[in-house]
Amino acid sequence: DIQMTQSPSTLSASVGDRVTITCRASQSISSWLAWYQQKPGKAPKLLIYKASSLESGVPSRFSGSGSGTEFTLTISSLQPDDFATYYCQQYNSYSPRLTFGGGTKVEIK
Amino acid sequence: QLQLQESGPGLVKPSETLSLTCTVSGGSISSSSYYWGWIRQPPGKGLEWIGSIYYSGSTYYNPSLKSRVTISVDTSKNQFSLKLSSVTAADTAVYYCARHRYSGYDLRDFDIWGQGTMVTVSS
Repeated sequence: DIQMTQSPSTLSASVGDRVTITCRASQSISSWLAWYQQKPGKAPKLLIYKASSLESGVPSRFSGSGSGTEFTLTISSLQPDDFATYYCQQYNSYSPRLTFGGGTKVEIK
Repeated sequence: QLQLQESGPGLVKPSETLSLTCTVSGGSISSSSYYWGWIRQPPGKGLEWIGSIYYSGSTYYNPSLKSRVTISVDTSKNQFSLKLSSVTAADTAVYYCARHRYSGYDLRDFDIWGQGTMVTVSS
């Protein structure tokens, strides 16, 4: 199985900060990675797919990069609505299961 | 606008079978571009994919749950369902249904989610 490790697990930041979250795969997944945002009591929302493609309707301050085993989600200027937990998800076709990272909670500093 | 809505009992006894249904509205479940999936999230924890189904009935399951999981589809009702047998307290979670994008070759990401339903396993 492919394991997904996110870091940090918690991040404290202020409005306007540039924020970067990392997701590492235990083996290469090419660019088959998605990022989600989840707010308390709500379902996850797809932000980024195929490592760097912005889902329709998602603000352009969100961006994704990486390939192989290391990926990043960047929020260029953190907004009040962005305080949430972020998850990565791999969907490598050669893995028998789809797996999520453990999550990164972005808190107000 | 496509919407998904989970329904089913919020309380299940240990050793029994958890049964949930997801109703799709605003679009057809019989699309060639999507599978339909179940994902769960224990309280305070991360997300776990359970399995996904195509309108034809083709399924993919998480190997760690495969022996206990059955996912089925009813295209006439635009619904798909989850059954998880022999439940324990470890199966207590919010259960989400979601639209699972499909390339024609493999499964991709989940682009539309239901609001989720809490299921507690307790006697």
